[in-house]
Amino acid sequence: QQQVKQSPQSLIVQKGGISIINCAYENTAFDYFPWYQQFPGKGPALLIAIRPDVSEKKEGRFTISFNKSAKQFSLHIMDSQPGDSATYFCAASLSARQLTFGSGTQLTVLP
Amino acid sequence: EAGVAQSPRYKIIEKRQSVAFWCNPISGHATLYWYQQILGQGPKLLIQFQNNGVVDDSQLPKDRFSAERLKGVDSTLKIQPAKLEDSAVYLCASSFDRARETQYFGPGTRLLVL
Repeated sequence: QQQVKQSPQSLIVQKGGISIINCAYENTAFDYFPWYQQFPGKGPALLIAIRPDVSEKKEGRFTISFNKSAKQFSLHIMDSQPGDSATYFCAASLSARQLTFGSGTQLTVLP
Repeated sequence: EAGVAQSPRYKIIEKRQSVAFWCNPISGHATLYWYQQILGQGPKLLIQFQNNGVVDDSQLPKDRFSAERLKGVDSTLKIQPAKLEDSAVYLCASSFDRARETQYFGPGTRLLVL
């Protein structure tokens, strides 16, 4: 019940395109849903986060869409750039306790 | 502000040997986490400290892993004896406190057990 399932495993997008990564969760008690970005040799860094009382959150080119009834949330990267090439992890937590991470999506943005 | 510091960055040991990792969190952060990230997977929490007390160690293999956070600042994670399946990146993260969900990760220690 603590799982967070992430797809796709890898994604290749042309520069300027839209990258979409999806996650699904099982535990309806989760109350915090962040997305982390990880570059090779670095630790994950918080990109954007949302709470279940909001259906969408946008920060620059990054948008989280949240569907509480479907228990799904997704990350949209608009106008994708080669510098966005990284591994993206969705995660979920309950009452500020441990983060449960998805398995990651390796994004490659072609120039 | 300075980020989370970890050392060493890389470690190669043989199975059954012991190894220790060190973490220095961001100054003033009361909560410290150790995660294990196996290649191709997301990080998995091993242990969470609030100051120098353990909040959650339910996923820590206590027969071989141990961790401490003396004086509520630096922390060490030890594996003794190591197994092949312990090969992973060990990430340390910190947050201001348990109510602030944003976790700041260090660069990790990449462990290879031969």
